[in-house]
Amino acid sequence: AQSVTQLGSHVSVSEGALVLLRCNYSSSVPPYLFWYVQYPNQGLQLLLKYTTGATLVKGINGFEAEFKKSETSFHLTKPSAHMSDAAEYFCAVGYYKLSFGAGTTVTVRA
Amino acid sequence: DGGITQSPKYLFRKEGQNVTLSCEQNLNHDAMYWYRQDPGQGLRLIYYSQIVNDFQKGDIAEGYSVSREKKESFPLTVTSAQKNPTAFYLCASILAAEGTEAFFGQGTRLTVV
Repeated sequence: AQSVTQLGSHVSVSEGALVLLRCNYSSSVPPYLFWYVQYPNQGLQLLLKYTTGATLVKGINGFEAEFKKSETSFHLTKPSAHMSDAAEYFCAVGYYKLSFGAGTTVTVRA
Repeated sequence: DGGITQSPKYLFRKEGQNVTLSCEQNLNHDAMYWYRQDPGQGLRLIYYSQIVNDFQKGDIAEGYSVSREKKESFPLTVTSAQKNPTAFYLCASILAAEGTEAFFGQGTRLTVV
């Protein structure tokens, strides 16, 4: 069985501030973890993924995430928010069948 | 360019009608998936298929049907038995290799009128 929990359905940050989106997972096997971004009325685009190896993963658009097995977490961060980061973000876990969190909507204030 | 194409982008259906959503991929991916997205609920798996002529129910299969006659195509039919079909539907595909990610289409927004 596998599942993810995203803490916080909405996050509001100022432009230039740190973006932190929280994700905790549950998996009976070593997990593959993903972060996706979705803009309104569009599909999902992969930001980054963790499979094996280095626990700090860098993705597109300046995002990164750290896999912490002891905390069963895979939080997503970006040091400096940009207006274009306003979107919905999904954490997912799985191999063939992905289980998605409920999503976190990010708003960026000018 | 390789990718996943969903059509139509917007679809309106009268109550009691069946409607079919198209999903085509040219990525040569083995597995294909249909998800339903509702506000605040994330993505819920409807059906998935790992090989041609085989598919499995996901978490919310009731009121839906699929077929997988070709590797590149995985159409979804929303039947009249689906009580609340208004939603955003996403198709995805994955290459059958360890650690690969899902690729998504642009979605179809279905509205029952």
